[in-house]
Amino acid sequence: GAVVSQHPSRVICKSGTSVKIECRSLDFQATTMFWYRQFPKKSLMLMATSNEGSKATYEQGVEKDKFLINHASLTLSTLTVTSAHPEDSSFYICSASPEANYGYTFGSGTRLTVV
Amino acid sequence: GQSLEQPSEVTAVEGAIVQINCTYQTSGFYGLSWYQQHDGGAPTFLSYNALDGLEETGRFSSFLSRSDSYGYLLLQELQMKDSASYFCAVRAAGNKLTFGGGTRVLVKP
Repeated sequence: GAVVSQHPSRVICKSGTSVKIECRSLDFQATTMFWYRQFPKKSLMLMATSNEGSKATYEQGVEKDKFLINHASLTLSTLTVTSAHPEDSSFYICSASPEANYGYTFGSGTRLTVV
Repeated sequence: GQSLEQPSEVTAVEGAIVQINCTYQTSGFYGLSWYQQHDGGAPTFLSYNALDGLEETGRFSSFLSRSDSYGYLLLQELQMKDSASYFCAVRAAGNKLTFGGGTRVLVKP
């Protein structure tokens, strides 16, 4: 089945630093990947759509300069949280689908804690 | 815009049947999906309905009525391991998924 690998699973960083999260599709090519954010006991909120070879599209209210997305290959998308602050602490999850009508596969998520 | 409504919590005993309803309002619709998420884990895909009717996958079934903008997930023969959050999600334009608020299912012995 489709596998999406996400790293790191946990990261603690200091305020003001940047953190990069990687999302890889291991056994399929993904021209599109999605990045979500989830607060404890809440739903998943779509942050942005990562498009291979072109700019990401961001959802309303998401700062594109804060959350940099790069999708340089058909199997890798990265999310960089720049100048992180404690309010950026959250669970970040990526997802992709090998087929248009197939269920989406999610990465294992990254729990970011900014101190 | 998109909005999905589902109950926040359901409690049931082992062996019971639970139905989680989901109503949606969307500006575009390609299908309704269901995902399971255990605490601290990532969502895992359960089922997808693009057309009206019932889809059965083992103990889990999902139903869709597009005319009613309504679907449900049916969990049968509940097991302790089924304690988790369940999300309905609508696939719309751009293959984006919009998630409901999630239903926490607590299975008791």
